[in-house]
Amino acid sequence: NAGVTQTPKFRVLKTGQSMTLLCAQDMNHEYMYWYRQDPGMGLRLIHYSVGEGTTAKGEVPDGYNVSRLKKQNFLLGLESAAPSQTSVYFCASSSFTGWGNQPQHFGDGTRLSIL
Amino acid sequence: AQKITQTQPGMFVQEKEAVTLDCTYDTSDQSYGLFWYKQPSSGEMIFLIYQGSYDEQNATEGRYSLNFQKARKSANLVISASQLGDSAMYFCAMREGRMDSSYKLIFGSGTRLLVRP
Repeated sequence: NAGVTQTPKFRVLKTGQSMTLLCAQDMNHEYMYWYRQDPGMGLRLIHYSVGEGTTAKGEVPDGYNVSRLKKQNFLLGLESAAPSQTSVYFCASSSFTGWGNQPQHFGDGTRLSIL
Repeated sequence: AQKITQTQPGMFVQEKEAVTLDCTYDTSDQSYGLFWYKQPSSGEMIFLIYQGSYDEQNATEGRYSLNFQKARKSANLVISASQLGDSAMYFCAMREGRMDSSYKLIFGSGTRLLVRP
């Protein structure tokens, strides 16, 4: 049971380069999220999706783009990487219930360094 | 604005003792949910326990329980009989109200717990 899989696990980029982080979930979840975690801080929401073909901005969306062409995949793109985007990135997914009591299930994270 | 506050950056507890990790929240919504996650040094986020704002009973999951005091807007995590494997970062998170059906989570800054043998 894979759950939420993030690729790659580590990446080093130079300033100005672009890259895409891939998140895949096999739980048939409707909702998917991208967070970033910086030292000494909790997770902050970058973008999220409530269904295939839909995306929305979170708390810190600048410099990132996302796409959800398939229900099981949620891609996070950095168009022109900046040192301030050095962080650990987490993808999460959750199912929909009217009560909202379903937890988000997280991937293992991607450690990204921008030089 | 909704906010989660964890005022204890770090805590120590002796093995086999109980420990309480504090979490206070601020929201104007009547419907909300509170989650606790554990992040070991390996980095993954592990869901521990959930409390809904309308739940009358405090949530429990094995050695984890949630001391939910709605009037005080606190949702403290209690870990009983601490084990060495409980050493980790612990995050409190709040799901935004039902008016926003995206079920986004707002996280606190975390508490690092170290269990002493």
